Amino acid sequence: GENVEQHPSTLSVQEGDSAVIKCTYSDSASNYFPWYKQELGKRPQLIIDIRSNVGEKKDQRIAVTLNKTAKHFSLHITETQPEDSAVYFCAARGGGKLIFGQGTELSVKP
Amino acid sequence: SAVISQKPSRDICQRGTSLTIQCQVDSQVTMMFWYRQQPGQSLTLIATANQGSEATYESGFVIDKFPISRPNLTFSTLTVSNMSPEDSSIYLCSVNTGGASHEQYFGPGTRLTVT
Repeated sequence: GENVEQHPSTLSVQEGDSAVIKCTYSDSASNYFPWYKQELGKRPQLIIDIRSNVGEKKDQRIAVTLNKTAKHFSLHITETQPEDSAVYFCAARGGGKLIFGQGTELSVKP
Repeated sequence: SAVISQKPSRDICQRGTSLTIQCQVDSQVTMMFWYRQQPGQSLTLIATANQGSEATYESGFVIDKFPISRPNLTFSTLTVSNMSPEDSSIYLCSVNTGGASHEQYFGPGTRLTVT
């Protein structure tokens, strides 16, 4: 089955800097790669996703890139703000079910 | 996106008892899933709730421990049976609305504490 690895587990940046979180997946049949943001005590919120027929997608300060050959995808957050502080999860869908990475705790220091 | 509600939002239960968690969606969805999130951990898929048939369980999860029902396209239940303190976790319902978007959304979760 699918296996998703996520790095780093924690990330601390200064406000205004960029943050990058990377994930790799194992199942070459996976075709959908969402990213979720989870604030303390809240449900995971979908923030951006990418499908296997696209190499990059951007939404304001957030972008995601996908390298199908290498089976890895990344989340890029530019001009980070304190409200970006949260746990971020990547996921990959193959066979109809989403499998999640281990999560990255992002801390943005003012 | 779909509006998903879960009941109860939290509960404290004694070991050996069972708890049934309900998930209600405001529209018909093709796929419903149940996840577990242990404190400080990622989301682990328990099973896919299939409408009108038995759920499909992931490795490490069995029907006797986590029976699931899905009587229609908007509702599902997860029961945590014969609970032990190790079952203390957040249980989340998740839905895939299907179609071209294939986006998946989560319910607010049920925080379970077993004493």
